[in-house]
Amino acid sequence: EAGVAQSPRYKIIEKRQSVAFWCNPISGHATLYWYQQILGQGPKLLIQFQNNGVVDDSQLPKDRFSAERLKGVDSTLKIQPAKLEDSAVYLCASSLGTGARQPQHFGDGTRLSIL
Amino acid sequence: DQQVKQNSPSLSVQEGRISILNCDYTNSMFDYFLWYKKYPAEGPTFLISISSIKDKNEDGRFTVFLNKSAKHLSLHIVPSQPGDSAVYFCAAKGGGYQKVTFGTGTKLQVIP
Repeated sequence: EAGVAQSPRYKIIEKRQSVAFWCNPISGHATLYWYQQILGQGPKLLIQFQNNGVVDDSQLPKDRFSAERLKGVDSTLKIQPAKLEDSAVYLCASSLGTGARQPQHFGDGTRLSIL
Repeated sequence: DQQVKQNSPSLSVQEGRISILNCDYTNSMFDYFLWYKKYPAEGPTFLISISSIKDKNEDGRFTVFLNKSAKHLSLHIVPSQPGDSAVYFCAAKGGGYQKVTFGTGTKLQVIP
């Protein structure tokens, strides 16, 4: 079974520039998550999709962050414009559904550095 | 508001001994708890979980204990192996769509 694929692995941009990350979840997984992990902290949920609908985006800074999951499969997360505090690892995860017993499977993340 | 807390940022244990990682939570709505393991430059991988209706779950060398009245859970690794050296995240699920809240992680080092 192929895992969650993310690209790029690393990205360096200057503040106020824009950046986009891509995620392809495990085949058949209906639920997709984007997390932000700042150094020394645990992953923080930014947005959760169930198929192609958003079920939780309460912690997404909507003035600069956007995400979509067209066709209910792969997803993109965009930051525009980037701020210094956006430097973090952005993790994508997927699961079969939202049931308690269904663990999330994570990709290896995109490490974003803002100069 | 940190709803899931791992108060020990790091832990060192000798190979063959027991590793005990602790986690506390504050939200009574959490009804499922998970531990994830993370190696550098990789995403977290699921390790073991426990439902709030149980107080113990075991999988090989890994056992998770839940004390619901104290809102505390712990992960025991016996015996510890050098390959267990990683960051361990405690996570809790609850509420609509089973949102997952992660702790800040504990870095375990198993010394050969």
